[in-house]
Amino acid sequence: GAVVSQHPSRVICKSGTSVKIECRSLDFQATTMFWYRQFPKQSLMLMATSNEGSKATYEQGVEKDKFLINHASLTLSTLTVTSAHPEDSSFYICSARANDRGGQPQHFGDGTRLSIL
Amino acid sequence: QKEVEQNSGPLSVPEGAIASLNCTYSDRGSQSFFWYRQYSGKSPELIMFIYSNGDKEDGRFTAQLNKASQYVSLLIRDSQPSDSATYLCAVRKTNAGKSTFGDGTTLTVKP
Repeated sequence: GAVVSQHPSRVICKSGTSVKIECRSLDFQATTMFWYRQFPKQSLMLMATSNEGSKATYEQGVEKDKFLINHASLTLSTLTVTSAHPEDSSFYICSARANDRGGQPQHFGDGTRLSIL
Repeated sequence: QKEVEQNSGPLSVPEGAIASLNCTYSDRGSQSFFWYRQYSGKSPELIMFIYSNGDKEDGRFTAQLNKASQYVSLLIRDSQPSDSATYLCAVRKTNAGKSTFGDGTTLTVKP
């Protein structure tokens, strides 16, 4: 089956640090990647959608200068949380989808648990 | 009205029973429908997807789609305690669009 690798799985760092999270599709080319955030016992919240080689589309209320997304290749997207603060602590999950013909499903990475002290 | 609605639960069924999870959606033009399972503290995992009206079976899971009534359901036969999780319904309007997720239904299977 389709495998999406997300790294790191857990980050603990001081306030003001920038954190980069990588998301890779291991056995398929991901035309589109998605970044979600999920707080404990809450729903998935879509942050942004990225297509390879183009700028990400951010959801309303998500600061694009704070959450930098780069989708440089068909197998790699990165999310950088810049100058992270305690309120950015959350579970960040990436998801990737293969070419858009035929309504391919999204496959999720294992997530990154970010804790800002 | 939310675009994708699910009963939050919790839904509790005894081991061996059939668990029935329902999802309704508002956009009649939706084309693709997905069910994900999410264990506590973990990321979602794809269980099934369905595109056409009717039933689609995969092992103990059956997805049912009724576009006229705008609902999609997931049946889990012979429920096991390991099926205890939150089940997310996702709906997509176009092949290239983004999926809209419901808030999920929490299922508990009691031994």
